[in-house]
Amino acid sequence: EPEVTQTPSHQVTQMGQEVILRCVPISNHLYFYWYRQILGQKVEFLVSFYNNEISEKSEIFDDQFSVERPDGSNFTLKIRSTKLEDSAMYFCASSEAETGGDSNQPQHFGDGTRLSIL
Amino acid sequence: DAKTTQPPSMDCAEGRAANLPCNHSTISGNEYVYWYRQIHSQGPQYIIHGLKNNETNEMASLIITEDRKSSTLILPHATLRDTAVYYCIVRGGFHAKGYKLSFGAGTTVTVRA
Repeated sequence: EPEVTQTPSHQVTQMGQEVILRCVPISNHLYFYWYRQILGQKVEFLVSFYNNEISEKSEIFDDQFSVERPDGSNFTLKIRSTKLEDSAMYFCASSEAETGGDSNQPQHFGDGTRLSIL
Repeated sequence: DAKTTQPPSMDCAEGRAANLPCNHSTISGNEYVYWYRQIHSQGPQYIIHGLKNNETNEMASLIITEDRKSSTLILPHATLRDTAVYYCIVRGGFHAKGYKLSFGAGTTVTVRA
């Protein structure tokens, strides 16, 4: 069964450094998402991406964050200058194109990148 | 998106059916009910979703009440590997602004041998 893959599984970075988290969504999917989960807390939406642009973002997704689909297969999340509070699990998800007027396609998640900021 | 209410935890015996309730009394007509689960530190795993009809797949069944204000996820024969946090999420619908999922605290299900 096709799956979303994320690399690396664990990233350790010094505070203030830039970090890029990588995701390979399921190949025929057109919607892409990033979520994060701080240890012991809820999964939080960061951003959705469709047709090469951001379709929605949360308050967390400030100008330190950016997303890119540099080629036909990868989807990346960049944090420009990391802070201690960016330490979390980051999950990528993807979904098929929505059909008709309703949104009903499930999102499929990768197993995440654990980001540790020192 | 409509808010959901789930019990914080429940236990289930291995081999028995697990019935996980969810209230979503403010659900609107074009919003779907989704169920995901998260096994320790892994990414959320899609289980099933539905609009108003009951749904069944290889993992579970979803029963939605006629007024759509609540639903139940049924794991027919729970195994130890079904121990996880289960999330009921309402999302939709026509002209929705984005398709984000809003996760709550979920129900921590512990399957006991």
